[in-house]
Amino acid sequence: EAGVAQSPRYKIIEKRQSVAFWCNPISGHATLYWYQQILGQGPKLLIQFQNNGVVDDSQLPKDRFSAERLKGVDSTLKIQPAKLEDSAVYLCASSFGTGWTGELFFGEGSRLTVL
Amino acid sequence: GQSLEQPSEVTAVEGAIVQINCTYQTSGFYGLSWYQQHDGGAPTFLSYNALDGLEETGRFSSFLSRSDSYGYLLLQELQMKDSASYFCAVSPSSGGSYIPTFGRGTSLIVHP
Repeated sequence: EAGVAQSPRYKIIEKRQSVAFWCNPISGHATLYWYQQILGQGPKLLIQFQNNGVVDDSQLPKDRFSAERLKGVDSTLKIQPAKLEDSAVYLCASSFGTGWTGELFFGEGSRLTVL
Repeated sequence: GQSLEQPSEVTAVEGAIVQINCTYQTSGFYGLSWYQQHDGGAPTFLSYNALDGLEETGRFSSFLSRSDSYGYLLLQELQMKDSASYFCAVSPSSGGSYIPTFGRGTSLIVHP
């Protein structure tokens, strides 16, 4: 079974530029999550989708961050314009979406450096 | 909101036993999960406790006390490869969906 796929793995941009990250969850997983992980900290939830609907985006900085999951499968997270404090690893995760088992399946992450 | 507290760092020697504690404050508690993350890698799921008591998976065990809002991860027969960060996570519910929230993590350093 293929795992959660993310791209790109690494991205370096200047502040005020834009960047987009892509995620393809495990086949059949209805729930998709985007987390931000700053060095030395735990993952912080940015947005959670159930199929193509948003479950929670309370911690998403909506003035600069946007995310979509139009067909309920893969998803894109965009940052525009980027700030220095956005330097982090952006982790995508998925889960079955029914019958909570406490388990998330994470991708390898996209490491963003903002200069 | 939710808050989780865990020690920032724990050190131990190979072959020893180590316990990583986690206390939490959350509404609508549905269970406590544990994840392992090596430097530069993705978090990987270790265990989940929905009910009070001990869950054992090989060298790793996890414990939950809902009345004390407390849990721990127990690692036995430590190996060098266990050096990693360990995160506890709670999953409060909202509208029928579970929203996983992670602690800041505990860095485990295993010495030879």
